[in-house]
Amino acid sequence: EVQLVESGGVVVQPGGSLRLSCAASGFTFDDYALHWVRQAPGKGLEWVSLISWDGSSIYYADSVKGRFTISRDNSNSFVYLQMNSLRAEDTALYYCAKDIGGSGSYPLDHWGRGTLVTVSS
Amino acid sequence: DIQMTQSPSSLFASVGDRVTITCRASQGIANYLAWYQQKPGKVPKLLISGASTLQSGVPSRFSARGYGTDFTLTISSLQPEDVATYYCQKYNRVPYTFGQGTKLEIK
Repeated sequence: EVQLVESGGVVVQPGGSLRLSCAASGFTFDDYALHWVRQAPGKGLEWVSLISWDGSSIYYADSVKGRFTISRDNSNSFVYLQMNSLRAEDTALYYCAKDIGGSGSYPLDHWGRGTLVTVSS
Repeated sequence: DIQMTQSPSSLFASVGDRVTITCRASQGIANYLAWYQQKPGKVPKLLISGASTLQSGVPSRFSARGYGTDFTLTISSLQPEDVATYYCQKYNRVPYTFGQGTKLEIK
């Protein structure tokens, strides 16, 4: 069974930093691209970032480009999201999601339950 | 960037009704379109990929079609368990933008 378990969400002050983690199991981790998708309270889904199976292709939404960094550890089946210069508008539930393919050109067929990031003073 | 616009934003329908949700892309995306269902308090679930391919385990009352810029998701006979917010998403190239969602409720 595919499992994605996010962690690291906390309350952080504006301008602060945070690293989210996603532990994966139940599939051959280094065959698939991984994404981060967020959902602000009561709002819709927003795609945040993508990393290909080998980490060679990385993409970001304009709203986080230059502030967030995605990475992966294929040895231990983790994907990370380093979040810097956090703003109030980054407050959201952050989901880790698995791509159907390896390059990131497919839909997201499995999602974690999310980890809540709150940016507030 | 390509924008994804869903209509309506919210929808009330009766059990047994035929329901259709529309998603429009601001530029052509061929068939690189997915539909997700998010029930209240739950994680999004992939329903449809490739604009029209039903994922395994999704009830056959769900169907979808479209190509280019105009896409639809149809529920042929609405059931109480279909209460959810439905999102379309493009995945032809980044950013993999979602529509704003359509909240479906029972009358």
